[in-house]
Amino acid sequence: KAGVTQTPRYLIKTRGQQVTLSCSPISGHRSVSWYQQTPGQGLQFLFEYFSETQRNKGNFPGRFSGRQFSNSRSEMNVSTLELGDSALYLCASTAQGAGDNEQFFGPGTRLTVL
Amino acid sequence: GESVGLHLPTLSVQEGDNSIINCAYSNSASDYFIWYKQESGKGPQFIIDIRSNMDKRQGQRVTVLLNKTVKHLSLQIAATQPGDSAVYFCAETPNDYKLSFGAGTTVTVRA
Repeated sequence: KAGVTQTPRYLIKTRGQQVTLSCSPISGHRSVSWYQQTPGQGLQFLFEYFSETQRNKGNFPGRFSGRQFSNSRSEMNVSTLELGDSALYLCASTAQGAGDNEQFFGPGTRLTVL
Repeated sequence: GESVGLHLPTLSVQEGDNSIINCAYSNSASDYFIWYKQESGKGPQFIIDIRSNMDKRQGQRVTVLLNKTVKHLSLQIAATQPGDSAVYFCAETPNDYKLSFGAGTTVTVRA
């Protein structure tokens, strides 16, 4: 089975721009979660989608948004980029079966905001 | 807000020795705990998990211990190998979806 894939792997943007990151979960997985990883704040939960609905949300401003498509693929969008948005953005998928809640992470998208 | 934290940011261990990585959590509602390993340039990789109705769980060369009384979680790695060098994170969640991660412990294995 292919793992979680994220595109692009690296991205450079300037302040004020917006960006869209993509995540393809493991085949059959219906839950997709997004995390931001920075040296200062560590790994922080952004949001989680299940069956095209946002089920959980972290404490990030409204500039951070996401969505999930019917094939479980997910995108996250960050608008009006700030320097502090530079981070590794990680996506994780979960099967969400009975007792099967292990989150499998992708390699991440490294976003640099200049 | 409540968070999960690791006691030590770095750990240096001799190859072949056992490693113990500690983590304290503060959310008493958490009932699912996971240890992840992250190597440079990669996403976190699941190592082992434990539910709050257990106090010990063993995997291959790894053991997780949970002490709910003092809200402490530990990961033991037996016979540490060079490939174990990585950053280790503990994570906890009350609902299986929204993980809260600790700051991480960087493990360096000395040859």
